Amino acid sequence: DTGVSQDPRHKITKRGQNVTFRCDPISEHNRLYWYRQTLGQGPEFLTYFQNEAQLEKSRLLSDRFSAERPKGSFSTLEIQRTEQGDSAMYLCASSPSGLAGGVSYNEQFFGPGTRLTVL
Amino acid sequence: GQNIDQPTEMTATEGAIVQINCTYQTSGFNGLFWYQQHAGEAPTFLSYNVLDGLEEKGRFSSFLSRSKGYSYLLLKELQMKDSASYLCADGGATNKLIFGTGTLLAVQP
Repeated sequence: DTGVSQDPRHKITKRGQNVTFRCDPISEHNRLYWYRQTLGQGPEFLTYFQNEAQLEKSRLLSDRFSAERPKGSFSTLEIQRTEQGDSAMYLCASSPSGLAGGVSYNEQFFGPGTRLTVL
Repeated sequence: GQNIDQPTEMTATEGAIVQINCTYQTSGFNGLFWYQQHAGEAPTFLSYNVLDGLEEKGRFSSFLSRSKGYSYLLLKELQMKDSASYLCADGGATNKLIFGTGTLLAVQP
């Protein structure tokens, strides 16, 4: 399987615990994105890497959240001191960088997500 | 800022045609995307429009008018498996996708 993979698929934790999720992008993709999705909503952007550089972080990403992509391949998203409001699906996506019609083409391929439940 | 609007729910009949509309306001346009998402699954890419006009891809077509900030997704010959959420997303100036809330399409026999 050469798609985006995420681990774990499901995580149940108690409030106050730390959790870490992993994303393995499509191997030739240099861009990696994290999104969060709650029921009935579209995915919300959290952060974005180009290779190992974290180029943008959403205001949604409080100081309890940290993401890394140390070698420009897989990425981790850590949530410290989890809160019940952190319960959501955490989606990872990757994309190549390229051009179509002279415009940066940004088709993103999503992984299956990690569903986090904070009790 | 950026704002994406699309209807929350739609219902259509198997074999029919349905059009899902999307309006957007953006500070830096970088293309308009449509994704399909089945319940409990990840979004999958359907189409991308950066220039005005209609892009056809099998049973699915997508239209863009940049001057009106408007797009639609047209689904023909509806099948039961097309029941899903359809997400409109603005590519934005900084490569992230800004999604609408999604339109939940129910295809009935």
